[in-house]
Amino acid sequence: GAGVSQSPRYKVAKRGQDVALRCDPISGHVSLFWYQQALGQGPEFLTYFQNEAQLDKSGLPSDRFFAERPEGSVSTLKIQRTQQEDSAVYLCASSTRLERGEKLFFGSGTQLSVL
Amino acid sequence: GENVEQHPSTLSVQEGDSAVIKCTYSDSASNYFPWYKQELGKRPQLIIDIRSNVGEKKDQRIAVTLNKTAKHFSLHITETQPEDSAVYFCAALRGNYQLIWGAGTKLIIKP
Repeated sequence: GAGVSQSPRYKVAKRGQDVALRCDPISGHVSLFWYQQALGQGPEFLTYFQNEAQLDKSGLPSDRFFAERPEGSVSTLKIQRTQQEDSAVYLCASSTRLERGEKLFFGSGTQLSVL
Repeated sequence: GENVEQHPSTLSVQEGDSAVIKCTYSDSASNYFPWYKQELGKRPQLIIDIRSNVGEKKDQRIAVTLNKTAKHFSLHITETQPEDSAVYFCAALRGNYQLIWGAGTKLIIKP
């Protein structure tokens, strides 16, 4: 596709419910990132994939957060037993090789509201 | 670890004037510095970036300068227009993949 695609665009969940957020990166992009963005703040790193390998998950806030990218393209961020503090915009971004001067492109995000 | 400080947090300028946003970083090994613009409810969009082997880069009304010795870089927007109103984020690359972000600057263009 032309850009990074995320779905759903908005998600309302009841506290305790599980949610799954989808990211479809730009075709051919090796690197995929998930970020969490609270209102009025910058993106906070959650996790990083290179192809299907999850090389860094140090930013995941708790073991309720899980991400996968089984075939090296589409990725899913799953949040189990959602809590109100999970409410935020979840951004996905993809790139070829950042360290080689390539650019990082963001999706439109999923706005998660936990009631 | 890398830390990026950005200021001001809010900047209000008259339409047509210039705007400057500054960032400092702590890791001297950082070698890539992008700037993103984010309008309300929209995705961050890359507007300009610079690598550490270059001191300045310009793209029409937007320029970025980098001072490696002082470990700071700045975004310059000239002849500001209403559509420049947004939140701007700087970032510095730590290692091979992790971008460390500034806290953002809300730019307001007054008509």
